Amino acid sequence: QLQLQESGPGLVKPSETLSLTCTVSGDSITSNSFYWGCIRQPPGKGLEWIGSIHYSGNTYYNSSLKSRVSISVDTPKNQFSLKLSSVTAADTAVYYCARMAVFWYFDLWGRGTLVTVSS
Amino acid sequence: QSALTQPRSVSGSPGQSVTISCTGTSGDFGVYNYISWYQQHPGKAPKLMIYDVSKRPSGVPDRFSGSKSGNTASLTISGLQAEDEADYYCCSYAGSYSLVVFGGGTTLTVL
Repeated sequence: QLQLQESGPGLVKPSETLSLTCTVSGDSITSNSFYWGCIRQPPGKGLEWIGSIHYSGNTYYNSSLKSRVSISVDTPKNQFSLKLSSVTAADTAVYYCARMAVFWYFDLWGRGTLVTVSS
Repeated sequence: QSALTQPRSVSGSPGQSVTISCTGTSGDFGVYNYISWYQQHPGKAPKLMIYDVSKRPSGVPDRFSGSKSGNTASLTISGLQAEDEADYYCCSYAGSYSLVVFGGGTTLTVL
């Protein structure tokens, strides 16, 4: 059974770079039928799509975050990773990894990990 | 600000039906049928309930149904049960600029 697991530091200082790794288990990340995405949810607020990546390296990003976001894939490790630069308190959120089926819906989600931006 | 507008809250009694609307402000919303709906219980990850406007993933009860008319998509839950109490989010492909957008979410209360 396919599972996604987020990992990363729970606390990041303002102006630094947030790094999150998503590990896929139970299936290969190298499927043409899926992209792999990152979604976040600030405490008490709604969901926001950050971006998605195909194992080939093709990426899509939220236009409002595009200047600060980079998503990469490591196929041998069956992982994909998110980097969000120049973070502020507004980037404090639960960050989720999810599988994005073509087209444009998220059929499997990780449990999420809370990342707090604070000095 | 979300490009998809949902009511903040809806409520219904057990056994009744409720409908949650999701209105798109972009012209692209009316063109594409890439609408999905997610259920989220407190402290849990979202769960896919509907995709491609009206398709149900395996394991989702047929009490959940989706539809779309013009710029408004809808999620209908019939035969309400206590475990349906949750937050619900719509999501859509919004064209080549915005790509993927979520609605602001609707809290369903089962009275």
